[in-house]
Amino acid sequence: QKEVEQDPGPLSVPEGAIVSLNCTYSNSAFQYFMWYRQYSRKGPELLMYTYSSGNKEDGRFTAQVDKSSKYISLFIRDSQPSDSATYLCAMSEGAQKLVFGQGTRLTINP
Amino acid sequence: DGGITQSPKYLFRKEGQNVTLSCEQNLNHDAMYWYRQDPGQGLRLIYYSQIVNDFQKGDIAEGYSVSREKKESFPLTVTSAQKNPTAFYLCASTWATDAGELFFGEGSRLTVL
Repeated sequence: QKEVEQDPGPLSVPEGAIVSLNCTYSNSAFQYFMWYRQYSRKGPELLMYTYSSGNKEDGRFTAQVDKSSKYISLFIRDSQPSDSATYLCAMSEGAQKLVFGQGTRLTINP
Repeated sequence: DGGITQSPKYLFRKEGQNVTLSCEQNLNHDAMYWYRQDPGQGLRLIYYSQIVNDFQKGDIAEGYSVSREKKESFPLTVTSAQKNPTAFYLCASTWATDAGELFFGEGSRLTVL
């Protein structure tokens, strides 16, 4: 069993839809949770960063962490074609070593 | 501009040849990383270094080697011992005490012919 599981998709939705991306994990020691966005043939860039449980909102993006269920989510409201990318969840116990999910490929159709 | 520069962007190699991928950063980061990305498998850690002249194996280090002679540079050599080297390679860096925000380069695509 992988430490971090993420549905690879692909996921295709119409413009304006609410998108929900999810990851589950098995290591209860994870404390730091991140979402990276990766455009085709580019390096990932940090999108959201959360410490421990709770919600964090940044514009159209909301990250949720439920440590009791070992489950994290990223919601995208009013999705735009420019949101089309691969989204990677990542998490760590502390400094240095991130564990990544497989990535979900998302397409927003105009 | 500060950032991470990887080169070459695309590289072709014949079987049995070693190849070195370059990674340079001017962000004054202490820690540097190499990841391999294959379709449907996310990012897998090859090697990482927290300080000059020191580095540790990641989850898939076999067939790879690195050096860290300067803070700014962390080259990765893909040796002929790597059984399936065709992949997208990503270099990243961060501050030593940071618990998550990795800054990535644009990647190097290696194809073995």
